[in-house]
Amino acid sequence: KAGVTQTPRYLIKTRGQQVTLSCSPISGHRSVSWYQQTPGQGLQFLFEYFSETQRNKGNFPGRFSGRQFSNSRSEMNVSTLELGDSALYLCASSLLTATQETQYFGPGTRLLVL
Amino acid sequence: QQQVKQSPQSLIVQKGGISIINCAYENTAFDYFPWYQQFPGKGPALLIAIRPDVSEKKEGRFTISFNKSAKQFSLHIMDSQPGDSATYFCAAGGGSQGNLIFGKGTKLSVKP
Repeated sequence: KAGVTQTPRYLIKTRGQQVTLSCSPISGHRSVSWYQQTPGQGLQFLFEYFSETQRNKGNFPGRFSGRQFSNSRSEMNVSTLELGDSALYLCASSLLTATQETQYFGPGTRLLVL
Repeated sequence: QQQVKQSPQSLIVQKGGISIINCAYENTAFDYFPWYQQFPGKGPALLIAIRPDVSEKKEGRFTISFNKSAKQFSLHIMDSQPGDSATYFCAAGGGSQGNLIFGKGTKLSVKP
């Protein structure tokens, strides 16, 4: 079974630009969550999507947005990039049933804002 | 109300020893408490998770102990191995697997 795929793996942008990151979950997983990881703030929840609907949102400014498509693939977008947006952006796909809880993270997209 | 405090920041254990990492949460609405293992350059991996209806859950060498009244939970790694050397994160959330508050992480080194 293929794992969670994130593209691109590395990205360099300049302040003020926008960026779109992509996440393909494990087949059959309908829930996708996004996290930001930095040395200073650690792992922080961005948002969660389930069946194309945003189910939860973390405490991030409106410059951070996301969406999920009918095939469960998800994208997140950051507009008007700031230096502080430099981070590892992680996507996780989840499957929750009556008897099973599984969650898998992708390798992340490392974003550097100059 | 939304913090998860994790300790210690770093831990050195001898091979075969027991590694213990502790977390405390504030929000009594949390009902999902997972632990993650992360190796350098990789995304976190879900190790084990617990819900408040049980006080302990064991999977192989990994055990979560949960104290609802104290709002604390801990990870015990029995017979620690050098391959367990990684950063461990606790988290807490409510309602779904995705909406989580993470601890700051514990860097574990297991010496041969």
